[in-house]
Amino acid sequence: NAGVMQNPRHLVRRRGQEARLRCSPVKGHSHVYWYRQLPEEGLKFMVYLQKENIIDESGMPKERFSAEFPKEGPSILRIQQVVRGDSAAYFCASSPQDRGKREQFFGPGTRLTVL
Amino acid sequence: GQSLEQPSEVTAVEGAIVQINCTYQTSGFYGLSWYQQHDGGAPTFLSYNALDGLEETGRFSSFLSRSDSYGYLLLQELQMKDSASYFCAVRAHSGNTPLVFGKGTRLSVIA
Repeated sequence: NAGVMQNPRHLVRRRGQEARLRCSPVKGHSHVYWYRQLPEEGLKFMVYLQKENIIDESGMPKERFSAEFPKEGPSILRIQQVVRGDSAAYFCASSPQDRGKREQFFGPGTRLTVL
Repeated sequence: GQSLEQPSEVTAVEGAIVQINCTYQTSGFYGLSWYQQHDGGAPTFLSYNALDGLEETGRFSSFLSRSDSYGYLLLQELQMKDSASYFCAVRAHSGNTPLVFGKGTRLSVIA
């Protein structure tokens, strides 16, 4: 009974490179959320996706960041031309379709370090 | 805007009881959740309140007062393993919607 899986767990990139973060939700969950966490801070919502659709991207920077959740395969958060300020932990969460479910299930996160 | 306020740090003795408060100001309100996060780990769900009152789950209880925009998490019989960060989070819209998180309360349990 696998939970949310994220990879890689740690990612180091130099300024200007691209970062790709992957998230496989709990089997059967069709809702995926990406959050970013800076040290000593809470989680900040970035984007909410359902299969093949972006539902809410109000928390995502307008440039360099994009997300997808294809029909097959994991959800991908892509950061182009990374800068030092992108260094953070990125968490993916999933929830089932059933409205009224109270809980989001979080993955272990990807810790991105930009040199 | 959306904001949740909670104390940044709390220290308590093993075996004691500790209460972590959370006040919120959000555009809408459909429920208050609490998550626990150990250093380097993933947030894990603890409790959820949609209606006023107390919800009890083992050593942990959570309370909500919607009229006061206030809730708290109560941890009883503290254990060393309870040392972690605790986040309150609001579901501001109905359905499967993103959560708005507070900045977290770092709980240190001492012997």
